[in-house]
Amino acid sequence: SQQGEEDPQALSIQEGENATMNCSYKTSINNLQWYRQNSGRGLVHLILIRSNEREKHSGRLRVTLDTSKKSSSLLITASRAADTASYFCATARGGGSNYKLTFGKGTLLTVNP
Amino acid sequence: NAGVTQTPKFQVLKTGQSMTLQCAQDMNHEYMSWYRQDPGMGLRLIHYSVGAGITDQGEVPNGYNVSRSTTEDFPLRLLSAAPSQTSVYFCASSYSGRGNSPLHFGNGTRLTVT
Repeated sequence: SQQGEEDPQALSIQEGENATMNCSYKTSINNLQWYRQNSGRGLVHLILIRSNEREKHSGRLRVTLDTSKKSSSLLITASRAADTASYFCATARGGGSNYKLTFGKGTLLTVNP
Repeated sequence: NAGVTQTPKFQVLKTGQSMTLQCAQDMNHEYMSWYRQDPGMGLRLIHYSVGAGITDQGEVPNGYNVSRSTTEDFPLRLLSAAPSQTSVYFCASSYSGRGNSPLHFGNGTRLTVT
């Protein structure tokens, strides 16, 4: 069953605008990760935020985590056409032989030049 | 440094045929996994391995076998292909399965079963 669910399913913005994507999950997690997938390619890791962290930055990316609401958001500031891709959240649970990383269905972001 | 390499990139099978999707990583990662990606379904975990000689089932293991005889390789075998196995398959690895290592993905294998 899906653990993380992204919202919205699709988002279209103009270059220079900010893009916000949300992820909700159902059970407690060790960490939450965001990935990007360009069309026809494998996923690329963007940011990992641990369950005891509330906010993390990487360049133009800002991720927040609210464990009380079981939700996370990914903000891309000053978007560029090259940011056009699908974005996935993934929730990590367990460890050792029980470790599982479960992905949501993704948000398709289109940045129009 | 090649990262995660998947072969083949494309494959067409007839129903009932068997084949092996290859995955190799050169980063000495402990953890390796296979996902399938279907439209509207996101990525679903098929099988995973936390080290050589250790494998376990994920969310959708039926119809697939795996083995992990070396740290580097994690092949996925389709025993008797079915049209429902038409999908894009991704292999991914991470430094450890303890939970705080990001996954590195291959570029996928597009499989069509007719």
